[in-house]
This record gives sequence, C-alpha cells and structure tokens, in this order.
Amino acid sequence: QVQLQESGPGLVKPSETLSLTCTVSGGSIRSYYWSWIRQPPGKGLEWIAYISSSGSTNYRPSLQSRVTMSVDTSRNQFSLNLRSVTAADTAVYYCARGMDNSDSSSPFDSWGQGTLVTVSS
Amino acid sequence: EIVLTQFPATLSLSPGERATLSCRASQSVGSYLAWYQHKPGQAPRLLIYDTINRATAIPARFSGSGSGTDFTLTISSLEPEDFAVYYCQQRSNWPRTFGQGTKVEIK
Repeated sequence: QVQLQESGPGLVKPSETLSLTCTVSGGSIRSYYWSWIRQPPGKGLEWIAYISSSGSTNYRPSLQSRVTMSVDTSRNQFSLNLRSVTAADTAVYYCARGMDNSDSSSPFDSWGQGTLVTVSS
Repeated sequence: EIVLTQFPATLSLSPGERATLSCRASQSVGSYLAWYQHKPGQAPRLLIYDTINRATAIPARFSGSGSGTDFTLTISSLEPEDFAVYYCQQRSNWPRTFGQGTKVEIK
C-alpha cells in the first residue's frame, strides 16, 4: 500500500518561500498525478496544485503566480514551493495521490498525515 | 469556482443511529462528487467517489447518492470509529473544491 510523508520547515517568515517535499513509499511515483492540499486553522480543505510523474502541472488560479511544483522520480518525491507567503498561508499541508493514473481529476485515494506550516516572524 | 455547501455543520448522534449528510453544489457537477472522512491528526480517507462508488475497503454501511447539485452521504448505522469530520469534493471543474465539512459527533 502506497504511503506518503510530508517534510519541511514548520515555521516560515512572511515574504519568504514555503518549501515542502512529499516522499512516496510502497509504490512508484510514476504514472500517477500528485497533489498538494492545505487546510488553514478552523477552515476547510483547499486544493493547491498537481503534478504528473512526467512533470505536467496544474495550479489553483488564485495561487498560480506564487506556486511551483516539481517531481524527482529517481527519489520518488515531489515538492511544493510557495513564494511570498503571508499569515494567510498558515495551514496544515497535505500531499495526496489521484486514484486513477490516467485521469488528472481523479479523487485522492492516498494522503499523507499532513504537516503544519506557520507563517510568522 | 464551484462552491460546495455542506449541511448540517454538526450532527449529534448515538452509535447505531443513521447519519445523513448533505452537500450542495453552486452549479452542476454531474456525478463527479467524492466524500472523505477525516479524523484529527490522521490522513483524510476516501470513502465514496463519483457519487455512489465505495473506495477500497470501505464498509457497506457507507453509501452515496445524488446527482447534479444535491448529494447525500448516508451511514446506515454509526460505529464508534465513524465519529469524524466528513468532506465532499467535486472534480467536475477546475479548481477542485471541497465543502466546509460536517462534523459527526457523539450525542
């Protein structure tokens, strides 16, 4: 069974870049679509972006100017960079896998446990 | 973007009771609606996809129905482990969006 694990700093200063990595184990990163999803404190879930194993991406329009995703198939990892962060970017960040490897819009059948990132000076 | 509204926000029930959770979309999402269960400190779990399909290893007490803009998740008889927050999510349009969640709590 595939497992996902987020890693990265838990505290980021305003105006800096939030960088997270998701490591996939128990399965290959190839041929699936991989997403980042976040949950601000007390709020609902928000999809941020996805990347395919070949590197094609799709970003949430409201974040598109600040977001970049990348994938490293040799390490079975994919990453998120979110630039110019503010307090509004404070959230638990989850990485997740789309269940259908041929459909970029498929539901998320595997998730990481999530990592809290706080934006504060 | 499509807004998903879940109601009620909180459902207070006892084990063994039936739970009915609703999700309404601001425009039609066809049948492209999923439901997730989320417990504190855990990864969300996919329960139902494309309105009616149970995900792998999901018990038969979970069922989904609806189409277009109105959807329902039913838990036929609540088990102790079912008390959690439930989210709906649409994949009809980009960006994918989630509802705000319904908390099922023990009465």
